[in-house]
Amino acid sequence: EVQLVESGGVVVQPGGSLRLSCAASGFTFDDYAMHWVRQVPGKGLEWVSLINWDGDSTYYADSVRGRFTISRDNSKNSLYLQMNNLRPEDSALYYCAKDIDDYFGSGNYMDVWGKGTTVTVSS
Amino acid sequence: DIVVTQSPLSLTVTPGEPASISCRSSQSLLHKNGDNYLSWFLQKPGQSPQLLIYLGSTRLSVVPDRFSGSGSGTDFTLKISRVEAEDVGIYYCMQALQTPITFGQGTRLEIK
Repeated sequence: EVQLVESGGVVVQPGGSLRLSCAASGFTFDDYAMHWVRQVPGKGLEWVSLINWDGDSTYYADSVRGRFTISRDNSKNSLYLQMNNLRPEDSALYYCAKDIDDYFGSGNYMDVWGKGTTVTVSS
Repeated sequence: DIVVTQSPLSLTVTPGEPASISCRSSQSLLHKNGDNYLSWFLQKPGQSPQLLIYLGSTRLSVVPDRFSGSGSGTDFTLKISRVEAEDVGIYYCMQALQTPITFGQGTRLEIK
């Protein structure tokens, strides 16, 4: 069964740091690009970041560029999101999602989603 | 950034009746390869989003054939030929022609 399981979401103070993880199983992880997408409860979906299959190309939403870093360890079938200088507006449910292709630019879309991990930024 | 705008934002439909959701983008989503880089997702209550339609009109194999996607360039439509109770949730369109990838605001479908 194809599965994505996110972890690492906690309550953190403004200005703090956090690393989210996503464990992938049931598919060949290094064949696919991966995304992080977030959702404030009761609000819409916001794309956060994308990483190509080999980790050599990364893309970010303007709202997180310079503060968040996406990475992956294909030997561990894992995706990460390092979040620094967190702001209250970063509070959301963070989803890990698998892309249909291995790089950006080929008609990308997410065909598998995890259940998400909740990040709360509050003092 | 490409802005993606959905309408209506909410929809109440009688079971068995059709439903239609519009998605318009601020720039053409037609790639030079002839594909439209527009997808549709459904987020059922309490669940993660699930893919319905990709490349504008290709339905995922497990998605019922009452769902269809159409359109090209800047104007796209998701149609449900006969709404069922299990179709309730929020529908999102998403463009992936350029980064940042952007989603529409979402359309909430409720059953009458």
